[in-house]
Amino acid sequence: AQSVTQLGSHVSVSEGALVLLRCNYSSSVPPYLFWYVQYPNQGLQLLLKYTTGATLVKGINGFEAEFKKSETSFHLTKPSAHMSDAAEYFCAVSDSGGYNKLIFGAGTRLAVHP
Amino acid sequence: ETGVTQTPRHLVMGMTNKKSLKCEQHLGHNAMYWYKQSAKKPLELMFVYNFKEQTENNSVPSRFSPECPNSSHLFLHLHTLQPEDSALYLCASSHYRQGPSGAEAFFGQGTRLTVV
Repeated sequence: AQSVTQLGSHVSVSEGALVLLRCNYSSSVPPYLFWYVQYPNQGLQLLLKYTTGATLVKGINGFEAEFKKSETSFHLTKPSAHMSDAAEYFCAVSDSGGYNKLIFGAGTRLAVHP
Repeated sequence: ETGVTQTPRHLVMGMTNKKSLKCEQHLGHNAMYWYKQSAKKPLELMFVYNFKEQTENNSVPSRFSPECPNSSHLFLHLHTLQPEDSALYLCASSHYRQGPSGAEAFFGQGTRLTVV
């Protein structure tokens, strides 16, 4: 069965610093991977996804993620943090058994300070 | 309207009340989902509907009763809830695929439910 582990429930960075949010997955089949962002009292919004092909995926708001099969990782990065990036970020993998659904990690709350 | 719309955005109900949450999607999807998001807990998938048929119920208590009259609408009927049911309830939709898929889920803004 698929699972997702997000290392670090809270990450704090300075404005302008590199953002790195970690995600490791477990999957018995080639995975489809997703990153979502959630702002306070809002739903989840897709940042980017990996399906097949290029392992470096670019998303919205300057975020990107790299699929590394050998490390079973899909870490999310942004070169320079902005105050507006403060939110909760969720990594997800598409479930292999049964109908289309996503399995989410526990989330990482990103704080950006001046 | 576009995307996934949930109403109401906020709901306060007593433990003896009956209320319903509504979700509507305008994306032409044929799969819909209810998730529960509690403080300090991971997102919990509650129900999955594909082509109006319930295909998954993750051991959800019977005080939560879903209804999917068509592929565009999803309801969650609530009755005799407990304070621990207070949470953000999120609706999502996606294209139907059997098995793993790159089809992402689109989420509504959620209903913040408080049970008093």
